[in-house]
Amino acid sequence: EVQLVESGGGLIQPGGSLRLSCAASGFTVSDNYLSWVRQAPGKGLEWVSVIYRGGSTYYADAVKGRFTISRDSFENTLYLQMNSLTVEDTAVYYCARGHYFDWFLFNSWGQGTLVTVSS
Amino acid sequence: EIVLTQSPGTLSLSPGERATLSCRASQGVRSSFLAWYQQKPGQAPRLLIYGASSRATGVPDRFSGSGSGTDFTLTINRLEPEDFAVYYCQQYAGSPTTFGQGTKVEIK
Repeated sequence: EVQLVESGGGLIQPGGSLRLSCAASGFTVSDNYLSWVRQAPGKGLEWVSVIYRGGSTYYADAVKGRFTISRDSFENTLYLQMNSLTVEDTAVYYCARGHYFDWFLFNSWGQGTLVTVSS
Repeated sequence: EIVLTQSPGTLSLSPGERATLSCRASQGVRSSFLAWYQQKPGQAPRLLIYGASSRATGVPDRFSGSGSGTDFTLTINRLEPEDFAVYYCQQYAGSPTTFGQGTKVEIK
């Protein structure tokens, strides 16, 4: 069974850093297309970043230069390093697995982890 | 970037009624790479429809999707109590992938 479990969220001051983790089971992280998608409180869904099977990474303009997506094949875990956080980054962050052929069609999601940026 | 606009913002219906949700794209969505997700409070989104009209595994057949180009529709026939939720459309053809702002289907 495919499972994604996020962790690492919490309360952080503006300008701070946080690293989110997404532990995967039932599939191999390095063989899949994995994204982070966030949802601000009471708002809609926003794609944040993706890491391709081959290791290429891409980011939404809103986080480019501040966030870094990575993976650990040994731990079978996806990460999101978030630096220079602002209040606009406050959201629930989901990791999501893309379909094998349609990389941004998200057929599996984690339960999400809440990041609150506030002074 | 393709902007998706969903309407209405909120749909107030009774169990057993039909829900019709609209998603309009700012430009044509290539190969109908349009999906619909259902999200209940405190839960992650759940994929319902992909390719504009194909149901994901385990999705009841009261859910159906249609449309092409810039206009897409999600129809829920005979609403069940568990169908009251927020629904999002998503285009996964263009980069970046984008979502609509959501339609809430609430109990009347």
